[in-house]
Amino acid sequence: GAGVSQSPSNKVTEKGKDVELRCDPISGHTALYWYRQSLGQGLEFLIYFQGNSAPDKSGLPSDRFSAERTGGSVSTLTIQRTQQEDSAVYLCASSPERTGGAQAFFGQGTRLTVV
Amino acid sequence: ILNVEQSPQSLHVQEGDSTNFTCSFPSSNFYALHWYRWETAKSPEALFVMTLNGDEKKKGRISATLNTKEGYSYLYIKGSQPEDSATYLCAFWGGADGLTFGKGTHLIIQP
Repeated sequence: GAGVSQSPSNKVTEKGKDVELRCDPISGHTALYWYRQSLGQGLEFLIYFQGNSAPDKSGLPSDRFSAERTGGSVSTLTIQRTQQEDSAVYLCASSPERTGGAQAFFGQGTRLTVV
Repeated sequence: ILNVEQSPQSLHVQEGDSTNFTCSFPSSNFYALHWYRWETAKSPEALFVMTLNGDEKKKGRISATLNTKEGYSYLYIKGSQPEDSATYLCAFWGGADGLTFGKGTHLIIQP
């Protein structure tokens, strides 16, 4: 596709259920980022992939969060046993550059609501 | 996790006035500094990517400067218009940590 695609765009889930969020980056982009924005907060870094590997997993809030990227393309962010504090907009971004010299392109986000 | 600070957190400016805000970042292991504009109900969009100390970039009424030795960047908006209302994010690219964003400056232009 022409841009970064995220699905679903909205997800309402019950507390305790698992959810999977998907990000389809721009073709050829090696860098992929996951962020989240909780209500009234700034952009919180979650994880960064360079190709299929994630040099930095320190941003994941807890061991309930995991992410993978296969084939250097699609990434999934999985949240197990969701809690109400997981409610946020989850944003994915991709970039063609390995050294940060090119802009990141963002998807439209997944709005997750845990009830 | 790298520390990227933006100030002020929010700013109210009269239409037609000029304004500026700051991003500070680690001065070591610098690769690039990005600025993004994030409008309500949209995704962040890139304004500038700067990589060299002393870089100055301009897009219309918006410009940015970069000082990598002291670890700061300024974003300037000249003659503010209502459509400039948005959150302005800076992001530091420091290598293995990827792109780390500040919390943003929320700009409101008052007619």
